[in-house]
Amino acid sequence: EPEVTQTPSHQVTQMGQEVILRCVPISNHLYFYWYRQILGQKVEFLVSFYNNEISEKSEIFDDQFSVERPDGSNFTLKIRSTKLEDSAMYFCASRRESSGPYEQYFGPGTRLTVT
Amino acid sequence: AQSVTQLDSQVPVFEEAPVELRCNYSSSVSVYLFWYVQYPNQGLQLLLKYLSGSTLVESINGFEAEFNKSQTSFHLRKPSVHISDTAEFFCAVSDRFQKLVFGTGTRLLVSP
Repeated sequence: EPEVTQTPSHQVTQMGQEVILRCVPISNHLYFYWYRQILGQKVEFLVSFYNNEISEKSEIFDDQFSVERPDGSNFTLKIRSTKLEDSAMYFCASRRESSGPYEQYFGPGTRLTVT
Repeated sequence: AQSVTQLDSQVPVFEEAPVELRCNYSSSVSVYLFWYVQYPNQGLQLLLKYLSGSTLVESINGFEAEFNKSQTSFHLRKPSVHISDTAEFFCAVSDRFQKLVFGTGTRLLVSP
């Protein structure tokens, strides 16, 4: 069964450094998402991406964040200058194009630790 | 704005006992409701969804949820739980724009 994959599973970085989290969505999906879950808190929406542009973003997704689909398979989340409060589990999700609200398929997550 | 409330952060239950995980939502537009499950050290998996039609939806592993518009609820139930059901359960709501809004999650702890 096809699945969303994410790398790395755990990333440790120093405050102020740039990180890139990588995701490979399911191959025939066209809608892509990033969510994050700070330890002990709920899963929060960051950004959605369709047709090579951001379709919606949350207030968390400020100028320090960016997303890109550099080729036909990868979907990346970049944090330019990490802060301590960026420490969280980051989930990528994808959805196939449809006229209905079909489910989003989630990856296993990348745990980002900022020290 | 949409929101989801899961009042129970943790629900301990014995194996083979019934369980109900509560979920209430708030939305000013038509909603689509989901339950996701997260097993230890794994990602989020869709358990079941309500899009339209029958208000009672079922999953393949014995869970069911009922959409109640008047009570704005989408509680998850299972008549007899297994040890392997131990996981974190997240209720989520979305509108036609597809962004998922999650509740804070309920940890189901099944003991022998």
